[in-house]
Amino acid sequence: EAGVAQSPRYKIIEKRQSVAFWCNPISGHATLYWYQQILGQGPKLLIQFQNNGVVDDSQLPKDRFSAERLKGVDSTLKIQPAKLEDSAVYLCASSLALDGHNEQFFGPGTRLTVL
Amino acid sequence: AQTVTQSQPEMSVQEAETVTLSCTYDTSESNYYLFWYKQPPSRQMILVIRQEAYKQQNATENRFSVNFQKAAKSFSLKISDSQLGDTAMYFCAFMRIQGAQKLVFGQGTRLTINP
Repeated sequence: EAGVAQSPRYKIIEKRQSVAFWCNPISGHATLYWYQQILGQGPKLLIQFQNNGVVDDSQLPKDRFSAERLKGVDSTLKIQPAKLEDSAVYLCASSLALDGHNEQFFGPGTRLTVL
Repeated sequence: AQTVTQSQPEMSVQEAETVTLSCTYDTSESNYYLFWYKQPPSRQMILVIRQEAYKQQNATENRFSVNFQKAAKSFSLKISDSQLGDTAMYFCAFMRIQGAQKLVFGQGTRLTINP
């Protein structure tokens, strides 16, 4: 079974530029999550989708971050404009359904460096 | 809001030894899930073990076991017969059962198994 796919794996941009990350969850997984993991910290949930609807985006900085999951399958996370403090690993995860019985499977992450 | 605290930033043991990683959490919920995740260097985060708060019996998965003390809000991970492949960052995480079901992670413990 294929795992969660993310691209690109690495991205270096200058501050005030835009960047987009892509995630393809495990086939059949209804729930998709985007996490931000700053170096030396645990992941922090940015946004959570159930199919193509947003369940929780309370920690998403909406003035610069946006995310969509238009067809309820793959998802994109965008930052516009980027700031230095956005340097982090962005992790995508998916699960069959929205409860703790269903394991969250994580992708390899995208490491973003903002100069 | 729930918080998760891992007080040991780094630990190091010899191969085949037993090691215990500490985790405490704060919540007013009576029922929830607790997790330990492993993040090897440059590799994906994977679930090690899960505990449901309403279950009194401590979860075990092969060499991994937990000591869940609900009243003390403590959730430690014991790794027996440690192996070189256990070298990784370990994250403790909390998830509510009611309401927004998102993972809240601790800061992580970097575990090194020495040959």
